[in-house]
Amino acid sequence: DVQLVESGGDVIQSGGSLRLSCEASGFTFGDYWMSWVRQAPGRGLEWLANIRQGGDEQHYVDSVKGRFTISRDHVKSSLYLQMNDLRPEDTAIYYCTRTHNYGSGSQEIDSWGQGTQVTVSA
Amino acid sequence: IVMTQSPLYLPVTPGEPASISCRSSQSLLQSNGYNYLAWYLQKPGQSPQLLIHLGSHRASGVPVRFSGSGSGTDFTLKITRVEPEDVGVYYCMQALQTPLTFGGGTKVEIK
Repeated sequence: DVQLVESGGDVIQSGGSLRLSCEASGFTFGDYWMSWVRQAPGRGLEWLANIRQGGDEQHYVDSVKGRFTISRDHVKSSLYLQMNDLRPEDTAIYYCTRTHNYGSGSQEIDSWGQGTQVTVSA
Repeated sequence: IVMTQSPLYLPVTPGEPASISCRSSQSLLQSNGYNYLAWYLQKPGQSPQLLIHLGSHRASGVPVRFSGSGSGTDFTLKITRVEPEDVGVYYCMQALQTPLTFGGGTKVEIK
């Protein structure tokens, strides 16, 4: 079974930095694109970023571009999200997700972790 | 791509059918004939789970009472007979291009 286990969430002050981790198991990590998605309190879902199998291509939503960096480590079967210049509006549950790539930019999320809570205080 | 769902809230009676609509601001239909639209259910206290992909294909293990239909910009998720365990928030998501975007969600509760 696919397992995605996030860690690294914390309470942090505005302007601070945080690094989230996601350990993947139950599938061949190197075969899949991976993504991060977040959910603010009582709100819907927001896709943040994805990364290609080899780590050589990444895409970001405008709201985090230049502040967040997605990366991966194939040896550790792990996905990361480095978050800098955090703001109160970044407060959310952050989900690690496995992404199925259809090609030509089309992708679909097929598995989700349980999420890790990030709280940014003003 | 902006995704719009309706209704926001759907009270249902067990054993009765239910239907949720999702509209995209541009066509999700590709030349290969597939619609790049997915449906997810987020049960209370859980992370979302994939129900339907490519517009109408049930994900592995999803009960047959769930079905997806539609093409282009208008899509529907139907539950033939609602079970108590179907409560939660349903989201549609366009899978055509990044940034992937979600509808605002439809909360399904038992009457």
